[in-house]
Formats: sequence, structure tokens, C-alpha cells
Amino acid sequence: QKEVEQNSGPLSVPEGAIASLNCTYSDRGSQSFFWYRQYSGKSPELIMSIYSNGDKEDGRFTAQLNKASQYVSLLIRDSQPSDSATYLCAVIRSGNTGKLIFGQGTTLQVKP
Amino acid sequence: DTAVSQTPKYLVTQMGNDKSIKCEQNLGHDTMYWYKQDSKKFLKIMFSYNNKELIINETVPNRFSPKSPDKAHLNLHINSLELGDSAVYFCASSQDRRAETQYFGPGTRLLVL
Repeated sequence: QKEVEQNSGPLSVPEGAIASLNCTYSDRGSQSFFWYRQYSGKSPELIMSIYSNGDKEDGRFTAQLNKASQYVSLLIRDSQPSDSATYLCAVIRSGNTGKLIFGQGTTLQVKP
Repeated sequence: DTAVSQTPKYLVTQMGNDKSIKCEQNLGHDTMYWYKQDSKKFLKIMFSYNNKELIINETVPNRFSPKSPDKAHLNLHINSLELGDSAVYFCASSQDRRAETQYFGPGTRLLVL
């Protein structure tokens, strides 16, 4: 079992729809969770971080964390073609501060 | 001003050669990282330095040797390059070793022929 798992996609949504990206992790004691966006040929950039159960909203982005079920998700409202990218889920495990474990990423395609 | 910069951006070389990649950050961060992203886009940490001290050393062949002359620079030297080393190598930095928010460089695309 991979430490951080994501569906590689591609996930295709029409412009204006909600895109839902999911991630599960294996270490129950993980404390810190991140979503990075990576455009093709570019470097990853942090878009959201979440540390406690529940929702965290930032503009059109909402991160959701459920530690009991060991999943974290990212919702993108009013999806735009410019959101088309690979979204990488990353986790810092308990006792492993300083080490980001990445999932394989989900490719999102937003069609005009 | 580029926050995290890497040179070169592209590197094409023959198997068996030795090459280096340089990284510099001007963010005043204490911690720097090297990641490898393979052809399937899987991003994996290789090394981390905090104030010039090696703190993370993943299972990486010892042909890979990082060096941090100061906390703003982290270089990666690769000896005896192999085909499987072809990948994109990203440098990153964070405020401190907790790695909460990492800023990535533009990447170095290495192709070993």
C-alpha cells in the first residue's frame, strides 16, 4: 500500500462545475496535509494546507480533512480552464517532521 | 527575483558521465531539499539540509551526493550517470525543518542517453 494514494485520472469536468479531488493516506498519526498544483512542465506550488478535521476554504478552493477515515480532499468551485493541472496531495507523517510524502497526483482537465 | 533558482534547466548527457545541479534560494530559509520526479510524475524526496546539516537522506544510490556550502545553496552531484537517473530534479526550500510550506525551484530536466 502506498503511503499517499490518489487516483491519477484524468478527471474531466466542464467549466463552471465543481471538481472534487481525493487523497487517502496510510499513517493514522499524520498531522499535516497539503495540496500542491503543478502545471505541465512547471514546478509544484502550494495552494492549500490543512491540519485539523473539517473544511478550510480559500477562495474557490476548499480542503476537507477526515482523520478518522484517513482522507483529505480538495474541492474547486466554478472550475476554470486555467485550473487544468496535476494536483498533488502531500502529507507529513507523525514523527517525521521535515518530510513531505507525495501522492502520484491527479490530473484535472477543465473543458470550456 | 526568483525565490528558488536552479541551474541548469536542461541537462543531456551520456551514461557514465558525472554532472552537478546547483540550487540557490534567496528567501532566507533554513531548510533545503532535493526531490526527484519520475516520468510518471511521482515526486519523491531525496535529501534535506537544515542550516548546512544533512537531516534527511532517503534510500538513494551513493552516486548521488548533496553538498550545502551555506544555507542558501544546495548542490547535487551525480556520479556515473545511469539511464534510470533521467528525471526532473527539483530543489525546494522551507522556513525551517518542519517543512510546512515548501517553495520549489523550476526543476532541472536530466536526460541520460
